[in-house]
Amino acid sequence: QVQLKQSGPGLVKPSLTLSLTCAISGDSLSSNGVAWNWIRQSPSRGLEWLGRTYYRSKWSNDYAWAVQGRITVSPDTSKNQFSLQLTSVTPEDTAVYYCARGSRSTFDFWSQGTLVTVSS
Amino acid sequence: EVVLTQSPGTLSLSPGDRATLSCRASQTVTDNLLAWFQQKPGQAPRLLIYAASGRAAGVPDRFTGSGSGTDFTLTINRLEPEDFAVYYCQQFGSSSFTFGQGTKLDIK
Repeated sequence: QVQLKQSGPGLVKPSLTLSLTCAISGDSLSSNGVAWNWIRQSPSRGLEWLGRTYYRSKWSNDYAWAVQGRITVSPDTSKNQFSLQLTSVTPEDTAVYYCARGSRSTFDFWSQGTLVTVSS
Repeated sequence: EVVLTQSPGTLSLSPGDRATLSCRASQTVTDNLLAWFQQKPGQAPRLLIYAASGRAAGVPDRFTGSGSGTDFTLTINRLEPEDFAVYYCQQFGSSSFTFGQGTKLDIK
């Protein structure tokens, strides 16, 4: 059974960088045919896909247009985990953040979610 | 970007009823890559249906997905008490994903 456990601060000051990590068990970061995603949820924006990383003979990324330029999703094969960095955050980035495995063009395993608040 | 519009916003039914939830896309969903999720308070979304009609592992057969193109439906037969939750649709296209705004299924 795939399990995803995320970690990172729950409070980030405006203009700084939000950083979260998602540790994978029960699967490999480099598995063929799957991707590793970050998704967030807030009352104002609903569920919003942010970006993903995946391995298809080389590492690749896709990012949502709304956060392009501020987001980096990075694999760490030595620890079987991946990370999210979101720069220049504002209060509008306050949300519950999830990591999720992507398969068959959807998301089949999710983390428990972490509330990240952007506030001074 | 494909916009998904779900209706109704809230559906009030009783256990044993049939629920019909709609998801309409602003343009054709590529290869009918449309999924449905169930979310309960304080929990992550749970995948129910993938590729419009494929049932995810462990999902009871009272959950059925159908539709194609721009119009998709999630039908829940014989509602059980644990089915009352918020339901979201989600699509994939052009290396991007979008979600609908959700339908809340509550007990009448």
